[in-house]
Amino acid sequence: DGGITQSPKYLFRKEGQNVTLSCEQNLNHDAMYWYRQDPGQGLRLIYYSQIVNDFQKGDIAEGYSVSREKKESFPLTVTSAQKNPTAFYLCASMKGYTGELFFGEGSRLTVL
Amino acid sequence: GESVGLHLPTLSVQEGDNSIINCAYSNSASDYFIWYKQESGKGPQFIIDIRSNMDKRQGQRVTVLLNKTVKHLSLQIAATQPGDSAVYFCAGVRGADGLTFGKGTHLIIQP
Repeated sequence: DGGITQSPKYLFRKEGQNVTLSCEQNLNHDAMYWYRQDPGQGLRLIYYSQIVNDFQKGDIAEGYSVSREKKESFPLTVTSAQKNPTAFYLCASMKGYTGELFFGEGSRLTVL
Repeated sequence: GESVGLHLPTLSVQEGDNSIINCAYSNSASDYFIWYKQESGKGPQFIIDIRSNMDKRQGQRVTVLLNKTVKHLSLQIAATQPGDSAVYFCAGVRGADGLTFGKGTHLIIQP
């Protein structure tokens, strides 16, 4: 079945460590997105990519990095520079320019 | 810029009653709005959308109303069921840049 796969579902990290969250889609969508969700909050855009080898900063890009070497893959690295990384991270892709996002199941990162 | 928000963080309704979840937006340039449903520990799922040239759109048990005069939209769920329990987000479309989400309303269904 087509969809978006995020891994790992749960991840624990020590302070000062970088961690990379995986996002893979087989929907053949061009655009992919990373959102951060905190308790009781809406989704905030971290980075997005509309095409391979290109990506743009979202509203809260500081402390994060991404790459888009393949259409199917859009990994997110949470660096040690991110001051408050504990959150639920959601990856999504967009069908054309419809505005409709298809989400993965999320990755919950906890910094110890 | 776009700002989208919901009026109430929590809404509690009796099973079988109708639910109305509200959302206000600030950017009149948005021409497309989407409602998403997020169950606990999962990613949001598309429920229904509406374009700015429409006032109302109906789906299966759900209706979205758009009032452009007061920049308000609402999601109505008919005959609420236990499976409707979730957090509901409205989102304004920013084109290919993605969506701007409100903070969400947690719908609680009481038996």
